[in-house]
Amino acid sequence: GAGVSQSPSNKVTEKGKDVELRCDPISGHTALYWYRQSLGQGLEFLIYFQGNSAPDKSGLPSDRFSAERTGGSVSTLTIQRTQQEDSAVYLCASSLAGGTWIGYGYTFGSGTRLTVV
Amino acid sequence: AQTVTQSQPEMSVQEAETVTLSCTYDTSESNYYLFWYKQPPSRQMILVIRQEAYKQQNATENRFSVNFQKAAKSFSLKISDSQLGDTAMYFCAPRPIQGAQKLVFGQGTRLTINP
Repeated sequence: GAGVSQSPSNKVTEKGKDVELRCDPISGHTALYWYRQSLGQGLEFLIYFQGNSAPDKSGLPSDRFSAERTGGSVSTLTIQRTQQEDSAVYLCASSLAGGTWIGYGYTFGSGTRLTVV
Repeated sequence: AQTVTQSQPEMSVQEAETVTLSCTYDTSESNYYLFWYKQPPSRQMILVIRQEAYKQQNATENRFSVNFQKAAKSFSLKISDSQLGDTAMYFCAPRPIQGAQKLVFGQGTRLTINP
């Protein structure tokens, strides 16, 4: 597609429920990133996918968080047994990787605002 | 590991004024890019300007320019003739050329342009 698409735009869930957030990157972008942004704060790295390589999960805050990327395209971030501290905006970004493409930065989606009540 | 410090949590200027946002970073990488992103209330992260660390010449994009001091690991953003549409959060981020190539963001500066 023309841009990075994230769904849903907003999600309200009850504490303890599981949620799935979806990211559809730009076609052909091999790298995909998830970030979390708490209210008024900076972006916290969560996980990174690059092609067929094992993902870099070093930013996932707990084992309640997981993500997958199917067919090198769409990615789903799953949060199990949600807690109130999980409330944040979850941003997805994609990019071409390697060489001079690094200089083009990321293209971000508009994010999913998750509210846990 | 990389760290990014944006020492100005909030700034406010009048329309048409010039404003400079500061950013310092720490990286062990020898080659990298540096980026400034803006995030308006719509949440969309928008690339403002980029700088290649091996280039000494400071990048410019219309009203936006940077002052890159590699030895000091400083990368400030200057906005000239500021406009109401420049109101946003601004984030500085280095990106290494090797490895995971992930962007590491500072805490951001909230910039308000007043009419």
